[in-house]
Amino acid sequence: QKEVEQDPGPLSVPEGAIVSLNCTYSNSAFQYFMWYRQYSRKGPELLMYTYSSGNKEDGRFTAQVDKSSKYISLFIRDSQPSDSATYLCAPGRGNQGGKLIFGQGTELSVKP
Amino acid sequence: DSGVTQTPKHLITATGQRVTLRCSPRSGDLSVYWYQQSLDQGLQFLIQYYNGEERAKGNILERFSAQQFPDLHSELNLSSLELGDSALYFCASSVVDSFGGYTFGSGTRLTVV
Repeated sequence: QKEVEQDPGPLSVPEGAIVSLNCTYSNSAFQYFMWYRQYSRKGPELLMYTYSSGNKEDGRFTAQVDKSSKYISLFIRDSQPSDSATYLCAPGRGNQGGKLIFGQGTELSVKP
Repeated sequence: DSGVTQTPKHLITATGQRVTLRCSPRSGDLSVYWYQQSLDQGLQFLIQYYNGEERAKGNILERFSAQQFPDLHSELNLSSLELGDSALYFCASSVVDSFGGYTFGSGTRLTVV
């Protein structure tokens, strides 16, 4: 079993839709949780970062962590064609330096 | 521009050869990370250096090695290359550890023929 599981999609939605992207993880030692966005042929860029359970909102993006069920979510409101990219969840452990475990990534396409 | 510079952007080489990938971290960042991204494996952590010292190691093959120099730039050396080593290799940097996330470069696309 992989430490982080993420549905690879592809996921196609119309412009303006609410998008829900999800990951599950198996290791309860993960303490902080990142979401990265990767455009085709580019390096991943940090989108959201949360520490412990709860919600964090940044503009149209909301990251949600439920440590009891080991479930990570990213919601995108009012999705735009520019949101079309691959989204990767990446939990990390504080006692392992900088190692992040990346999910496989979900490919999202927002159609105008 | 993320501030993390990787060279070269593209590399095509033959099996059995040796290549060196270079990374310059963002100004002020002491940690450098190397990741390999392939279609079937996704982003896989290879190794982390902090201020010149190895800090964490992933599933890095023995044919691969890395180092971080006093000026904090890092090099990833890949030797005895195989077709399966074809992938995108990313470097990332952070001030110390990944708490708070780190910044990726634009990657080096390696093709082994």
